[in-house]
Amino acid sequence: GENVEQHPSTLSVQEGDSAVIKCTYSDSASNYFPWYKQELGKGPQLIIDIRSNVGEKKDQRIAVTLNKTAKHFSLHITETQPEDSAVYFCADLGGSYIPTFGRGTSLIVHP
Amino acid sequence: GAVVSQHPSWVICKSGTSVKIECRSLDFQATTMFWYRQFPKQSLMLMATSNEGSKATYEQGVEKDKFLINHASLTLSTLTVTSAHPEDSSFYICSVPGLAGVLYYEQYFGPGTRLTVT
Repeated sequence: GENVEQHPSTLSVQEGDSAVIKCTYSDSASNYFPWYKQELGKGPQLIIDIRSNVGEKKDQRIAVTLNKTAKHFSLHITETQPEDSAVYFCADLGGSYIPTFGRGTSLIVHP
Repeated sequence: GAVVSQHPSWVICKSGTSVKIECRSLDFQATTMFWYRQFPKQSLMLMATSNEGSKATYEQGVEKDKFLINHASLTLSTLTVTSAHPEDSSFYICSVPGLAGVLYYEQYFGPGTRLTVT
């Protein structure tokens, strides 16, 4: 990818609420969109991904939606729990296998 | 997915010394590994692509003589920070790309190495 914008930079929610993080990309060749969760002092871990031929993917409490026309994709976390607190990064990949990362969203879930 | 380890998990060194960080792919043969650095509350910045059996490819602005990369086997890549200075203090993370499909590559990240230069 070329450039990935991620919003918001910080998101604070109450336990049980939903959280939504949005990313936009500019590279029309991008065709793979992963989301990573990074806990403090640890490396990022892939939590969900979506490919360009799919509009939505769900895995238990997390889901990702993709709008290729508008070039944006979003992460949705339902029924948030304190252990969901972390920094979340979106990314996109195009013709190369090197991802372009967003700037990250710090999610804080208050018990 | 691939399991990636890094050693050490943290290191403190004195200014002017060199530090070596190891990245191992424990269950996956990796011809390519990536090295990132991450400053507090910032995103991951790709430093270089490590290629097994050949020279690493460095991103623009990364000094190859300062950050020496060696990819001696399909399971091990090392990053040596030479003549370290306090501004080199950072969180260094390696990753291994895995082929998840014809065109798509998942990234498997190591746990990171916290380097502090005093």
